[in-house]
Amino acid sequence: GQNIDQPTEMTATEGAIVQINCTYQTSGFNGLFWYQQHAGEAPTFLSYNVLDGLEEKGRFSSFLSRSKGYSYLLLKELQMKDSASYLCAVKDSNYQLIWGAGTKLIIKP
Amino acid sequence: IAGITQAPTSQILAAGRRMTLRCTQDMRHNAMYWYRQDLGLGLRLIHYSNTAGTTGKGEVPDGYSVSRANTDDFPLTLASAVPSQTSVYFCASSESSDSVIQYFGAGTRLSVL
Repeated sequence: GQNIDQPTEMTATEGAIVQINCTYQTSGFNGLFWYQQHAGEAPTFLSYNVLDGLEEKGRFSSFLSRSKGYSYLLLKELQMKDSASYLCAVKDSNYQLIWGAGTKLIIKP
Repeated sequence: IAGITQAPTSQILAAGRRMTLRCTQDMRHNAMYWYRQDLGLGLRLIHYSNTAGTTGKGEVPDGYSVSRANTDDFPLTLASAVPSQTSVYFCASSESSDSVIQYFGAGTRLSVL
């Protein structure tokens, strides 16, 4: 079967750095995606990796290793507004997104 | 403002009733999707449509039906609601089925009693 694993919850301090890991096993691979979802709101796109390596976008970076079935999302200079769930998703051989359950990130002052 | 509109925002429904969740987008996107989101589970694809006039089944299609008569609208129908269909339903769209980004509506919170 297809599976996306990520931690259920993480806690970090304002101003710090946090890394959210995601491992996947899917039938085919056509890209890995990270979305942010604030409580009670819709998911919004953060990043996309299709080749191995690091993609940087401001305070957020995403890394991919296809051989290891592994990705992480790195958030720097954490702000209180970063408190949200972070969803990892992989596009499979049918170009459908398979989603992880999400990691709830709690930022403390 | 361009985007995806879902209606209703929330609904309480008696088991056995028929219900249609509405989804409209004004971005002229070809592909549209219906997901359900349950606590502790990832978003699960119910049905999708790669272009107007075509639909396909996702991971959890049983008990749901969709239609795509035009580019903008993608309604989701529960023919006879059951309590296990209590969930938050998100409609999403993308320019095409292989586009990078999916854009989501605000969701419909449905409770079936």
